Amino acid sequence: AQSVTQLGSHVSVSEGALVLLRCNYSSSVPPYLFWYVQYPNQGLQLLLKYTSAATLVKGINGFEAEFKKSETSFHLTKPSAHMSDAAEYFCAVREAAGNKLTFGGGTRVLVKP
Amino acid sequence: ETGVTQSPTHLIKTRGQQVTLRCSSQSGHNTVSWYQQALGQGPQFIFQYYREEENGRGNFPPRFSGLQFPNYSSELNVNALELDDSALYLCASSLDRGLTDTQYFGPGTRLTVL
Repeated sequence: AQSVTQLGSHVSVSEGALVLLRCNYSSSVPPYLFWYVQYPNQGLQLLLKYTSAATLVKGINGFEAEFKKSETSFHLTKPSAHMSDAAEYFCAVREAAGNKLTFGGGTRVLVKP
Repeated sequence: ETGVTQSPTHLIKTRGQQVTLRCSSQSGHNTVSWYQQALGQGPQFIFQYYREEENGRGNFPPRFSGLQFPNYSSELNVNALELDDSALYLCASSLDRGLTDTQYFGPGTRLTVL
């Protein structure tokens, strides 16, 4: 069965600093990987997705993620945090044979001025 | 273009009652998925509907049921509500059921069971 682990339920960064959110997955087949962001009292918004093309994926709002098969990881980064990045971030996996998204537990990002 | 909408926004029920949540998919989308997000957790897949037929189900009991209508809007029904059913229920629509089809989420319905 596929699963997703997000290391760190809370991350605090200073405005302008690097944002790094970790995601590791387990899957028996090549996965499709997603990062979503959830702002308070809102649904999920897609940041980016990996679908077996380029391993470095660029998304919206300056975020990018790199798929590393050998490490079964799909970490999300942003070079310079902005106050508006404060939100909860979810990594999700979708197996080639499946029709559902399996989400990690989420990482809440706090941005300090 | 209208995104995914859900109604109601909030709902309070008591144990044992039944509830119906509604979702209007994005224009042109024929696939709807439902997720339950408990407080402090990631969303969990309940089931998916494709062209009015159930197309996969997660680990939820039969008292969770759904429908998809010809216009591809959808309902989630939960019978015999339990306290643990308190959660944010998210609906997501996608253009098709393909593996790379992005799921677009609505704002959710917050259900509280007392």
